[in-house]
Amino acid sequence: DGGITQSPKYLFRKEGQNVTLSCEQNLNHDAMYWYRQDPGQGLRLIYYSQIVNDFQKGDIAEGYSVSREKKESFPLTVTSAQKNPTAFYLCASSIQGANQPQHFGDGTRLSIL
Amino acid sequence: AQTVTQSQPEMSVQEAETVTLSCTYDTSESDYYLFWYKQPPSRQMILVIRQEAYKQQNATENRFSVNFQKAAKSFSLKISDSQLGDAAMYFCAYRSALDFDGQNFVFGPGTRLSVLP
Repeated sequence: DGGITQSPKYLFRKEGQNVTLSCEQNLNHDAMYWYRQDPGQGLRLIYYSQIVNDFQKGDIAEGYSVSREKKESFPLTVTSAQKNPTAFYLCASSIQGANQPQHFGDGTRLSIL
Repeated sequence: AQTVTQSQPEMSVQEAETVTLSCTYDTSESDYYLFWYKQPPSRQMILVIRQEAYKQQNATENRFSVNFQKAAKSFSLKISDSQLGDAAMYFCAYRSALDFDGQNFVFGPGTRLSVLP
């Protein structure tokens, strides 16, 4: 079945540590996205990518980094510069086109030890 | 910038009854798309229904339908014959027709729906 796989489901970060969240899709979608979800707030865009080897910052990119070396993969690194990383992270992908919905993975919950 | 507002943080409905979740948005554009997503406790976001702004006819998907009022910038979701599996967080989302790269997919804060047996 086609879909988006995020791993791990739960992740813990120590102070000063970088951690990487995995996102893989087999939907053959060109566009991929990373969102952060906090309680009582909608999703906020961290980074997005329309093609391989190209990505752009979203609304809250500070303290995060991404890469897009393969079409199906869009990992997100939460760096030590992100002072409040505790949140639920959602990866999404879509076909190109403004009328296309985004398809989401199951998410990763990141917590600070 | 566009904004999406969901004024009901929480709602509840009796099983088999009908419930309406409200959503309003602010935009100066005339062409755009609106979406309702469902996020159950498993946390995966699932597309429920989609509406094109240029269409006057309200979208329907089985027990889910919308009331799209373009002039009022309102996009409510009606769930008929509510089922226990409908319990979830519901997000309203807006996307400009000019948003070719996905950076302007704007989500509301969500409404948590409980279904009472």
